[in-house]
Amino acid sequence: DVKVTQSSRYLVKRTGEKVFLECVQDMDHENMFWYRQDPGLGLRLIYFSYDVKMKEKGDIPEGYSVSREKKERFSLILESASTNQTSMYLCASSIPWGTGELFFGEGSRLTVL
Amino acid sequence: GQQLNQSPQSMFIQEGEDVSMNCTSSSIFNTWLWYKQDPGEGPVLLIALYKAGELTSNGRLTAQFGITRKDSFLNISASIPSDVGIYFCAGQLRGGSNYKLTFGKGTLLTVNP
Repeated sequence: DVKVTQSSRYLVKRTGEKVFLECVQDMDHENMFWYRQDPGLGLRLIYFSYDVKMKEKGDIPEGYSVSREKKERFSLILESASTNQTSMYLCASSIPWGTGELFFGEGSRLTVL
Repeated sequence: GQQLNQSPQSMFIQEGEDVSMNCTSSSIFNTWLWYKQDPGEGPVLLIALYKAGELTSNGRLTAQFGITRKDSFLNISASIPSDVGIYFCAGQLRGGSNYKLTFGKGTLLTVNP
């Protein structure tokens, strides 16, 4: 069964802390994505990666960075967490030039106090 | 970035009723996709559409790719309680960023048994 696994379902952090959200996929997909989901705003793309060590900014990259050292792992980093980064974070993967289907993880709900 | 207008934002219906939701865009897409997000889970692909005018069914679900390539609708017939969730449309414009999807803001569906 194909799977995208996000390391933490729930996190609570303090303002200014450095936060790592980890995502691992077992489908050998080239493309990986980080989305943020907020009520009334839908899914907004933060960063994506189409290959190891490659990354591109999405629509809302400010305050975030990413790391892709291995094909199966894509990390989202909040260098200095702020309260407006309280949100649900969704990781996804896909094949290039495929059907457009994204495979999502279950999400990581981050609360920044 | 590109914007998708998805409506309605939410729906409260009785079990057995039919449901219709739609998405419009200011620009064209080559692919339209519909995802469903169950409570506490990541979105899962329901239907993908690849040609203008295409009408596709998946059980009680029917979706169409608008002839102008700027819109799509999703119908659910004879709703049941497990249809509850958030439905997202997504558009993809194949090309340089073939792997990027633009998502609508979602339709929250509640089904009263």
